[in-house]
This record gives sequence, C-alpha cells and structure tokens, in this order.
Amino acid sequence: AQSVTQLDSQVPVFEEAPVELRCNYSSSVSVYLFWYVQYPNQGLQLLLKYLSGSTLVKGINGFEAEFNKSQTSFHLRKPSVHISDTAEYFCAVSALNQAGTALIFGKGTTLSVSS
Amino acid sequence: DVKVTQSSRYLVKRTGEKVFLECVQDMDHENMFWYRQDPGLGLRLIYFSYDVKMKEKGDIPEGYSVSREKKERFSLILESASTNQTSMYLCASTWGGYGYTFGSGTRLTVV
Repeated sequence: AQSVTQLDSQVPVFEEAPVELRCNYSSSVSVYLFWYVQYPNQGLQLLLKYLSGSTLVKGINGFEAEFNKSQTSFHLRKPSVHISDTAEYFCAVSALNQAGTALIFGKGTTLSVSS
Repeated sequence: DVKVTQSSRYLVKRTGEKVFLECVQDMDHENMFWYRQDPGLGLRLIYFSYDVKMKEKGDIPEGYSVSREKKERFSLILESASTNQTSMYLCASTWGGYGYTFGSGTRLTVV
C-alpha cells in the first residue's frame, strides 16, 4: 500500500518570497506522483504530475517539483509567490500499472501568502 | 471536454436517512473512486471500483456502501446517515492511473 506525508500543515510566506512544500511518500512499487491545488471554495486542480522521464517537472502557475527516488520525496517549489497562490496544496501518489489503482492523498498544506 | 458529474452540489439530510450520492463520467474510464474531504485530514478514500459490479474498500468504508451497475455511474450509499458523515464528498475516475478527473463535489450536511 502507498502512503503520503506532507511535512508541513501550514506554510506562511510573504509575497515574492520563494516557497517549498514538502512531500514524502512510501510505496513498495513504483509510483506516479501528483500535486493538486484547491483554492477557497473551489474544486481540485492539477498543478503537475510525474509519470516518468525527467525528475524535474514543471506545472502551471510557475510551480515545479522534483522527484527524488532515493529520498522518496516530491517537493513542490515556486521561486516567487503571489497573494493569489494562497490555497491548500495536496500531494498524491498512485501505484504504477496496477489495475484499479487509487490516488492516495496527503493531509494537505495550507499556503498563506501575505503582503 | 471530459467530465465527472456529481448530481448534487449541496445536500441536507436527517440522521438515520438512507442517502444516495451519484457520480457519472463520460470518459469510458474503468476506475472510479469516492473520497471524503475534511479539514486537516485531506482526501480519504472510501471505496473504489475497477470494473462494473466490482468494488474494493478504501481506508474508511465503515457506514458506506457503493453500487456500480453501469460503467459510467458509481453511486455512494450512506445506509443510515449520521452527523459524523457531514463532509465534502468527491468522486473521481481514471484510466490507467495516468491522470484523474474529479467532480465538483457534494457538500453533505447531516442534521
């Protein structure tokens, strides 16, 4: 079975500062990795995903994440955040090539950007 | 544009009622899922289905059941609703696990 740990439940930052949201996962098989964002009172939106290939993945809104297999991590980064990035961010994992594979989520990180 | 549609956006039910949450996808996906989302707990998997009439328990199946009679429709059933089932319920589907499409969610309040 897979599991996901988001290491920070809340991350407060000032506008234009860099940010890193940390995610570690556990799995006995190879995985696909995802980051989702949820703005207040809205649905889930896919930020980026890692399926294979380059370990540095670029997503929407200037976010990127790096897959580190040896450390079983998939941290999300942005070099300069905006007020509009205030939202909840979820890291998720699914097992590779398994029938009926479910997406398993972390508990989320609330990013609060202030001026 | 591909879609996962949940029948109700908001729902208020009484304790003890039998509640049906419906989800329909138009992408011919094999796999469908039900999650509940609660503050501080993220999204937790209730049940999933990898084929018609097939189902598997997720992490928190107690108090819930599911039905999948047709490929495009996956129903979540609360046999006897309780106040601790007040939550946001999200349906999702996928083919192969390469990408998941989520519905807009149903916010259920049990009074």
